[in-house]
Amino acid sequence: AQTVTQSQPEMSVQEAETVTLSCTYDTSESNYYLFWYKQPPSRQMILVIRQEAYKQQNATENRFSVNFQKAAKSFSLKISDSQLGDTAMYFCAFMNPTSGTYKYIFGTGTRLKVLA
Amino acid sequence: NAGVMQNPRHLVRRRGQEARLRCSPMKGHSHVYWYRQLPEEGLKFMVYLQKENIIDESGMPKERFSAEFPKEGPSILRIQQVVRGDSAAYFCASSSSGGAYEQYFGPGTRLTVT
Repeated sequence: AQTVTQSQPEMSVQEAETVTLSCTYDTSESNYYLFWYKQPPSRQMILVIRQEAYKQQNATENRFSVNFQKAAKSFSLKISDSQLGDTAMYFCAFMNPTSGTYKYIFGTGTRLKVLA
Repeated sequence: NAGVMQNPRHLVRRRGQEARLRCSPMKGHSHVYWYRQLPEEGLKFMVYLQKENIIDESGMPKERFSAEFPKEGPSILRIQQVVRGDSAAYFCASSSSGGAYEQYFGPGTRLTVT
């Protein structure tokens, strides 16, 4: 069974600094998708970035980028120039499209606080 | 284009009552997923439905929980005889097809059992 592990329950960063959130996963599949979601206090799940496992190039979305290490099964999220609005819970998620169910498997989350 | 709609946003039920949670997927989406988020935890998959079919209910508790997605109308997650342990946020997500890897999430329903 696939699992997703986020080993940092809480992190903090100074405004304008860079922070990296870690995520590891376990799977025997070669084709899958990985996601980072942001959950602010409103509880709305907001997609931050996604990565297809077959793509070697790391995904980037403005200030957000990932370091995808397929062999190590690692998928960390880097937030550059942190802003107060980045304060939220961040969840890493895994999806195996060959399973036929397409369900997401989430990690337990990292609570990020950006300090002024 | 409206996103995924869930209602109610907040629901309070006494122990033993029934809870009905509704989810209207994005326009054009025929695949619905329900997830549960217990306090201070991540989201856990419950059930995956297509119109009139349950595809995967491996995450559903064996008793008291059921889900449907009729041909017309929203998807419904029904919890009978609620207990305090059912208190959680319930999220619905939709996708345009099973192979579409991106799911779009609704704002969630916060269920409180008193």
